[in-house]
Amino acid sequence: DTEVTQTPKHLVMGMTNKKSLKCEQHMGHRAMYWYKQKAKKPPELMFVYSYEKLSINESVPSRFSPECPNSSLLNLHLHALQPEDSALYLCASSQEGTGLYSNYGYTFGSGTRLTVV
Amino acid sequence: SQELEQSPQSLIVQEGKNLTINCTSSKTLYGLYWYKQKYGEGLIFLMMLQKGGEEKSHEKITAKLDEKKQQSSLHITASQPSHAGIYLCGADRRSTLGRLYFGRGTQLTVWP
Repeated sequence: DTEVTQTPKHLVMGMTNKKSLKCEQHMGHRAMYWYKQKAKKPPELMFVYSYEKLSINESVPSRFSPECPNSSLLNLHLHALQPEDSALYLCASSQEGTGLYSNYGYTFGSGTRLTVV
Repeated sequence: SQELEQSPQSLIVQEGKNLTINCTSSKTLYGLYWYKQKYGEGLIFLMMLQKGGEEKSHEKITAKLDEKKQQSSLHITASQPSHAGIYLCGADRRSTLGRLYFGRGTQLTVWP
C-alpha cells in the first residue's frame, strides 16, 4: 500500500460548524503533514507530526486543531472557520521526517476540497 | 514561496514537442522534488534529486540537479496530452527537514 487516503473528498461547512478531516496511511511512515492550498497557489505547510508528536506548527490559527491518534492516522479538526479558509487541504507522509529516505519522497493524498459558507 | 523560483509560469506546447521547466533557489538545496498536480487534486510524485549533478529519468521525463545544488530542470521529451497539468518543484533544506517549500508551479497545456 503506497497511498495516503483522505476523507472526505469534498466538505461544505458553515462558519459555526465543527467538522474533521481524516488522513490515513499504511506505509509505516512516521511523519505526517497537513498542507493548505488556495486556488492557483502552491501548497503551504500547516502542521508536521513526527512519531505522533506535533513538531511543527506554522503559526496556524487555533480554529484548526490537528490530532495524531496513532502512527497511521492524522486528523484535522475544524471549528468556527472563515470563508477565507476555503481551500484544498492536503495530507502527506514520509519516513523519518523527510522525503529523502523514501524512493517516493513525500507521499501526498488526493486532498479534501473545503468550502466554508 | 519566494524561495523557489519556477519558470515559466505557464507553457503551451503542441503534442510531440520537447519542453523544459526550471526551478531555481538562492540557497543550496538539500533535497529537490518534482510533483505533478491536476487542478484540485493531489500531488503525484515524479522524481527526487539530492546529489549535485544528479539526473533521473522516468519514461519521457528527465530531471536534473546542477552541481551547485541551486537549480533543477525538468525536461519532457515528445510531450503528450497526458503530460498536461501543473508541475511543482519542492525543496528540503538541511536546517529545516520536513518543511517542504514549493515553487509557484508551471501550468502545462499540450494541444493535439
